[in-house]
Amino acid sequence: EDQVTQSPEALRLQEGESSSLNCSYTVSGLRGLFWYRQDPGKGPEFLFTLYSAGEEKEKERLKATLTKKESFLHITAPKPEDSATYLCAVIAGTASKLTFGTGTRLQVTL
Amino acid sequence: ETGVTQSPTHLIKTRGQQVTLRCSSQSGHNTVSWYQQALGQGPQFIFQYYREEENGRGNFPPRFSGLQFPNYSSELNVNALELDDSALYLCASSLDGGGDNEQFFGPGTRLTVL
Repeated sequence: EDQVTQSPEALRLQEGESSSLNCSYTVSGLRGLFWYRQDPGKGPEFLFTLYSAGEEKEKERLKATLTKKESFLHITAPKPEDSATYLCAVIAGTASKLTFGTGTRLQVTL
Repeated sequence: ETGVTQSPTHLIKTRGQQVTLRCSSQSGHNTVSWYQQALGQGPQFIFQYYREEENGRGNFPPRFSGLQFPNYSSELNVNALELDDSALYLCASSLDGGGDNEQFFGPGTRLTVL
């Protein structure tokens, strides 16, 4: 069965303090890895899709990378508005579903 | 371009009752997936509908059922509600079910079962 593990569970950063979130996965036949941002009580907001090892994508202060076993979401010089839960999900094999990790809760303080 | 919408926003039911949740997919999308998200957890896949047919189902009992209409909107029905059904129910729309396309989520319906 597909498994997605995210670490750390929670991360507290000061504004401007860069860091990385990790998403490791065990799947048979990765077809895509997705990053979402979720604010409390709201639906996940799509950020990135990565399809193959070595691929990288950037959006503002966020950069996502992918290897054969894990993905990183790098946050450069974060601001308080980046505070949210970041979810990683995979689609693999012949499945039509996304398999999610439990997320990393990020808090950025002034 | 209209995003994914869900109704109602919140719902309170008692154990044993039945509930119907609704989802309108993003303009141009023909696939709807439903997920259940318990507090502090990632979303769990319930099922997917592609062109009005079920196109995959997660580990949920038969009392969770669904429907997709010709305009690609969808319903999630849950019978015989249990306390553990309390969760945020998310609908996601995408193009061409079973593919690798991004799934875009609605705001969710918060269901509380008392």
